[in-house]
Amino acid sequence: TQLLEQSPQFLSIQEGENLTVYCNSSSVFSSLQWYRQEPGEGPVLLVTVVTGGEVKKLKRLTFQFGDARKDSSLHITAAQPGDTGLYLCAGLKAAGNKLTFGGGTRVLVKP
Amino acid sequence: NAGVMQNPRHLVRRRGQEARLRCSPMKGHSHVYWYRQLPEEGLKFMVYLQKENIIDESGMPKERFSAEFPKEGPSILRIQQVVRGDSAAYFCASSPGQVPMNTEAFFGQGTRLTVV
Repeated sequence: TQLLEQSPQFLSIQEGENLTVYCNSSSVFSSLQWYRQEPGEGPVLLVTVVTGGEVKKLKRLTFQFGDARKDSSLHITAAQPGDTGLYLCAGLKAAGNKLTFGGGTRVLVKP
Repeated sequence: NAGVMQNPRHLVRRRGQEARLRCSPMKGHSHVYWYRQLPEEGLKFMVYLQKENIIDESGMPKERFSAEFPKEGPSILRIQQVVRGDSAAYFCASSPGQVPMNTEAFFGQGTRLTVV
């Protein structure tokens, strides 16, 4: 079983629609990161959230860290075809030294 | 300022052969992490190394897999006597400090290993 569960696993929407990806765990993380990965490439960091309840915005992307630091969400407003990719959340535990990744959410934005 | 360089990008090996995957971290980075990714899945941690030291190898299979990060040269992930189940994308990431210090880890483009 995954320590970090992402949902949904796959999301297909039309350009202009909004979408939300969830990352949930029963464990507490000191910080959580979101990555986007395109086919044939490595993951690229989008954002790091460290404080419970924190909200960060990156243009049309909004990231939220749960109050208890066990879950996070990524919301994309007015999605564009360029947002297509595999979105991965990864958590870091206090005193830990490795990122634990969720299974990923594959997003397809159709023009 | 070159990013994390992994080579080869693609590697085909027959069952029983050895696979050597190389990772050159970004300039100034002394921490290296190796991850494995199966198709349509997330990344699974394998090993964390600093120069000449293995810090955490809790994700490494007990047999056939080994990793090193010598004082000079790239980090090497070595898989002996490969089997079909080793087919995956192997990613290396590097950071200037330990990740808990809130420093970003940068990923390479990965090596895609296919065992035939």
